[in-house]
This record gives sequence, structure tokens and C-alpha cells, in this order.
Amino acid sequence: DAKTTQPNSMESNEEEPVHLPCNHSTISGTDYIHWYRQLPSQGPEYVIHGLTSNVNNRMASLAIAEDRKSSTLILHRATLRDAAVYYCILRDGGAYNFNKFYFGSGTKLNVKP
Amino acid sequence: NAGVTQTPKFQVLKTGQSMTLQCAQDMNHEYMSWYRQDPGMGLRLIHYSVGAGITDQGEVPNGYNVSRSTTEDFPLRLLSAAPSQTSVYFCASSTPTGVNSPLHFGNGTRLTVT
Repeated sequence: DAKTTQPNSMESNEEEPVHLPCNHSTISGTDYIHWYRQLPSQGPEYVIHGLTSNVNNRMASLAIAEDRKSSTLILHRATLRDAAVYYCILRDGGAYNFNKFYFGSGTKLNVKP
Repeated sequence: NAGVTQTPKFQVLKTGQSMTLQCAQDMNHEYMSWYRQDPGMGLRLIHYSVGAGITDQGEVPNGYNVSRSTTEDFPLRLLSAAPSQTSVYFCASSTPTGVNSPLHFGNGTRLTVT
């Protein structure tokens, strides 16, 4: 199964943009890139996902490298409520394995006021 | 909607005891799964189910049993608890329509085995 690599921790100032990187050099053609975040004492929540093209939603943007071996989650204006662990996950788009999510250890984002 | 509900929130067991962690969802999701999260680590998949009567193993299934008799419920059973099973357990669900279906998580059950 394809794996992802993320920095253990990052720090940001409130109201500044945050770029959270993820490497997935063994990504296959059918793997989708998903991002989840986990706030303290809560279960993970979905943030965004994409296959090849950059994606935007109300929470964040996802920038995917042309070779798909890396991606970046962009929080445009970090708030204190964005302090969480962010997980980059590859989800197999094939017929049989799309239900197996494998979470790595994620990036712990600290937001300073 | 309540979403995904896990009970209990906290549980302390002695080694060798058995218990069932409950998970229920009210979104009519066919896919449900169980994860464990150890301190400072990510989530690891224990078991999952793509519908009533169908279950399969994840990456860390040993010591856990599951069954799926209804769409709404997916209980996780520990037959003989061990200290290595001390962890936070998360249940998740989604629609089985492929990679565009996000997982919805419960808020977890914190289990301590002494």
C-alpha cells in the first residue's frame, strides 16, 4: 500500500497562510489524495481530496504536483481553531480497495496568536 | 442527525476481561470501520464492513472480533483484554460509493487495560 510522509510538526501565526506538505512518491495512478484533521479529543474530520487537479473548498485548498508525488494542503488564513493534527492519506480508487484508509502519524499544527 | 455515536466514552478493564465497544450511525451508511490510536501515533485500521453480514480485516485485527447484523451498528468485541489494547478507539462510516465518500468519525472510546 502506498504510504505518505509528513513533517511531525509545524507552527504558524494566526491569520497567516499555512502550507502543509505531504510526500507520496509511490502513489499509483488510481490513488486519490485525501486530507483529514483531528482536533484535540475528537475524531478525525474530512478536509479535502483530489486526484490530479488542484481543489478548493470552504475549509482549504489542495495543490497537487504535476507528477503527483507530492501535495500541499493550504489553509489561507490560519485561526486558533485550526490547531490540529493533519493527516495526508492515499485512498485507492480501484474497485476493491477504496475502503481501506491508512493513516500515518500526521503533522501537528500549532497556531500562535 | 447524531452522526456516528460511540459508547462508552471511557472504560477501564482488567487483563482477561471481555467487553464490547458500541458504534451506531444514523446516516444509512453501508461502510463502517474501526481504528485504534495509540499515544502520539496515527490511526490504524482494525476491521471494516461494507454492509450487513460482510466484514474484513484491517492492518491490526488480532485480539478483536466484529460482526455486522444491521446497517446501523458495528460493535467491536475484545474477548480477553490485554494491556497492549490500551488505546483510543474510533469508529467511522461512509457511503460505499468510492473514493469521493468521506469518512465520518465518532468521538472515540478511551480504553485502559490494567
